[in-house]
Amino acid sequence: GAVVSQHPSWVICKSGTSVKIECRSLDFQATTMFWYRQFPKQSLMLMATSNEGSKATYEQGVEKDKFLINHASLTLSTLTVTSAHPEDSSFYICSARGTANQPQHFGDGTRLSIL
Amino acid sequence: GQNIDQPTEMTATEGAIVQINCTYQTSGFNGLFWYQQHAGEAPTFLSYNVLDGLEEKGRFSSFLSRSKGYSYLLLKELQMKDSASYLCAVRERDKLSFGAGTTVTVRA
Repeated sequence: GAVVSQHPSWVICKSGTSVKIECRSLDFQATTMFWYRQFPKQSLMLMATSNEGSKATYEQGVEKDKFLINHASLTLSTLTVTSAHPEDSSFYICSARGTANQPQHFGDGTRLSIL
Repeated sequence: GQNIDQPTEMTATEGAIVQINCTYQTSGFNGLFWYQQHAGEAPTFLSYNVLDGLEEKGRFSSFLSRSKGYSYLLLKELQMKDSASYLCAVRERDKLSFGAGTTVTVRA
């Protein structure tokens, strides 16, 4: 089946640090990748959609200068949380899919804790 | 946008059958997905319905009625490892929106 790899799994860092999370599709070409955030006992909230070679489309309320997304190839997208603060602590999950009618496959998620 | 409703919690015994209902409202329906999510882990894909009817995959089946804005996920022969959150997700055009999830607890 389709495999999506996300790194790192855990990040603990000081307030003000920038953190980069990578999302890779290992055995298929991901035309579109999605970034979600999930708070404890809540559902996944879509942050942004990124198509390879294009600028990401951000959901309402998500600051594009705070959450930088790069999707430079068909197998890699990165999310950089710039100048992270404690309120940015959350579970960040990426997903990827090939063509439009295919399901999204999720990475294992990154648990981010900002002290 | 979508309003996706599913029950918060369900409990059942090992070997039993559980049906998780999901209702939704959307203007550009383009498929309904069910995902399983264990605590602290990312969701894993279970099933996909885009046409009305039942899709069966081993112990798991999913049903869709587009006219009623309704789907269910049926879990048969429950096992302890099935204890997890089950997420109903509706795709509207190219965007997937998730329900809050149903936590299923399987008891021995």
